[in-house]
Amino acid sequence: EVQLVQSGAEVKKPGESLKISCKISVYTFTNDWIGWVRQMPGKGLEWMAIIYPRNSDIRYSPSFQGQVTVSVDKSTNTAYLQWSSLKASDSAMYYCARGYHGLDVWGQGTTVTVSS
Amino acid sequence: DIQMTQSPSSLSASVGDRVTITCRASQGISDYLAWYQQKPGKVPKLLIYSVSTLQSGVPSRFSGSGSGTHFALTISSLQPEDVATYYCQKYDSAPCTFGQGTKLDI
Repeated sequence: EVQLVQSGAEVKKPGESLKISCKISVYTFTNDWIGWVRQMPGKGLEWMAIIYPRNSDIRYSPSFQGQVTVSVDKSTNTAYLQWSSLKASDSAMYYCARGYHGLDVWGQGTTVTVSS
Repeated sequence: DIQMTQSPSSLSASVGDRVTITCRASQGISDYLAWYQQKPGKVPKLLIYSVSTLQSGVPSRFSGSGSGTHFALTISSLQPEDVATYYCQKYDSAPCTFGQGTKLDI
């Protein structure tokens, strides 16, 4: 069974950096795209970026380009979403999910709270 | 970038009703369209991809239709467990934008 297991909830202050993770099964890591989706409190789904772990091909939404960085670690089959300087407006639930042609397997989500 | 617009934004219907949610793309996206269901407090779930292909395990009362720029998700006979927010998503090319969502109540 394919599973995407995300890191736990984070509470950070504005200006701090953060890297959240998404652990992926080996088969999926080498054969599928992994996407990141944001959901702000009470709001809809926002597609952020997608990465192909096999060759680290990355596509960003213009809304998130330059605001976040997506990466993978092939040695641990893990995808990452990171911020260099958080803002209060980054407070949201973040999901990783498998696939490009439809996101068919989702992680459980990571809640990020940014507050002074 | 291509925008995805869903209508209505919210909808209230009765058990057994036939419900249709529409999704319009600002430019043609061929058949690169998916639908998701998100129940309150839960992770989104893929219902349909390639406009009309039902994901494994999804009840047959769900169906998708359309092409080019106009698409629809139909629930043939609404059930209580269908209370959720539904999203369309294009994936012809990045960014793979979601619609703003349609909240369905009973």
